[in-house]
Amino acid sequence: TQLLEQSPQFLSIQEGENLTVYCNSSSVFSSLQWYRQEPGEGPVLLVTVVTGGEVKKLKRLTFQFGDARKDSSLHITAAQPGDTGLYLCAGPPRGGSYIPTFGRGTSLIVHP
Amino acid sequence: DTGVSQNPRHKITKRGQNVTFRCDPISEHNRLYWYRQTLGQGPEFLTYFQNEAQLEKSRLLSDRFSAERPKGSFSTLEIQRTEQGDSAMYLCASSFPDAAKQFFGPGTRLTVL
Repeated sequence: TQLLEQSPQFLSIQEGENLTVYCNSSSVFSSLQWYRQEPGEGPVLLVTVVTGGEVKKLKRLTFQFGDARKDSSLHITAAQPGDTGLYLCAGPPRGGSYIPTFGRGTSLIVHP
Repeated sequence: DTGVSQNPRHKITKRGQNVTFRCDPISEHNRLYWYRQTLGQGPEFLTYFQNEAQLEKSRLLSDRFSAERPKGSFSTLEIQRTEQGDSAMYLCASSFPDAAKQFFGPGTRLTVL
């Protein structure tokens, strides 16, 4: 059982479309991080959300942390082929020793 | 470039051989993490160090796996008596004590024949 469930697992869209991917958990997280990973490379940190209800924008990417800090979403507006990659959410569950937990990721392909 | 570096980038070995991977973290970071990632999965935490102290190693996959960070700078991950199931990408990351913001290296792709 994954502590962080990401959906959808795969997404294939055309350039210019909008999309939203989700990261859900039954546990409360102190913070959540979103990463993008390209094939054969390590994940690259995009953003950290900390406060329940927080919304952060990074150009065409909008990240939201749920009010209860159990879920997060990533919305991409007008997707471009350069957005192609594996989007991972991760975080430290609140309380206890810190062991980073990652979701399985959403694999996004944006076709020109 | 002052990012996290890993060597080698690729390693092909025969079953039963030992392999060692190296990670050089961002110099100001005192935390260093090792992960394993298989196809279709997110990174799986293995172990982490704060300076030279290994603070969590219960998630190492078996006693064939060991990691060191002798001087609190670079780290090595060793796998003894490799098995085909060890084939994966091994990722290293580093961070300040705000452990949530981790910076990853490019990974070492291990193939065990």
